[in-house]
Amino acid sequence: AQSVAQPEDQVNVAEGNPLTVKCTYSVSGNPYLFWYVQYPNRGLQFLLKYITGDNLVKGSYGFEAEFNKSQTSFHLKKPSALVSDSALYFCAVSLYNQGGKLIFGQGTELSVKP
Amino acid sequence: DGGITQSPKYLFRKEGQNVTLSCEQNLNHDAMYWYRQDPGQGLRLIYYSQIVNDFQKGDIAEGYSVSREKKESFPLTVTSAQKNPTAFYLCASSLLAMSTDTQYFGPGTRLTVL
Repeated sequence: AQSVAQPEDQVNVAEGNPLTVKCTYSVSGNPYLFWYVQYPNRGLQFLLKYITGDNLVKGSYGFEAEFNKSQTSFHLKKPSALVSDSALYFCAVSLYNQGGKLIFGQGTELSVKP
Repeated sequence: DGGITQSPKYLFRKEGQNVTLSCEQNLNHDAMYWYRQDPGQGLRLIYYSQIVNDFQKGDIAEGYSVSREKKESFPLTVTSAQKNPTAFYLCASSLLAMSTDTQYFGPGTRLTVL
């Protein structure tokens, strides 16, 4: 079965430090990978996606993610965290010829302290 | 959230009632989706529609129904058959129902059963 795992329910980072939110996937075939962010009681905002090509993908608000096929991972990173980055982050995968269906991880709560 | 509206923001339902959640988009997108979000479980797909007058069940369709009579509208009805409807409901749309397309989300409706 296709699945996405975010192994950490919560990540705590000090402002100005680098942050990493982890995501691993298990799919058959080539995955298309997405990261979204959700602020309290709001919808999801798209950050970035990997379809093909360069393994390092740059997205909105200074975030980037690295696709690693051998480790089946797609970790989200930012060189210098801001307090305003505190939110819930979701990794998702879609599959070729599956009508755009997304499979989401359970989410990781990022807390950035001043 | 721009381009996709959901109403109402909060909805309260009594046992045995059917309720309908509205989702409208002005992005001229062909595909629309409904997800349910529960704490710690990520998002799960309820129904999706690739084109007007067509829709498919997602992973948790039981107790829900949809219609797609207009391109811009994809209402979700939560029926009395849904045993545990209290959740946050998110509508999304994408240009086409392709695996590489980005889904854009509305602000959500929080449904509570009294």
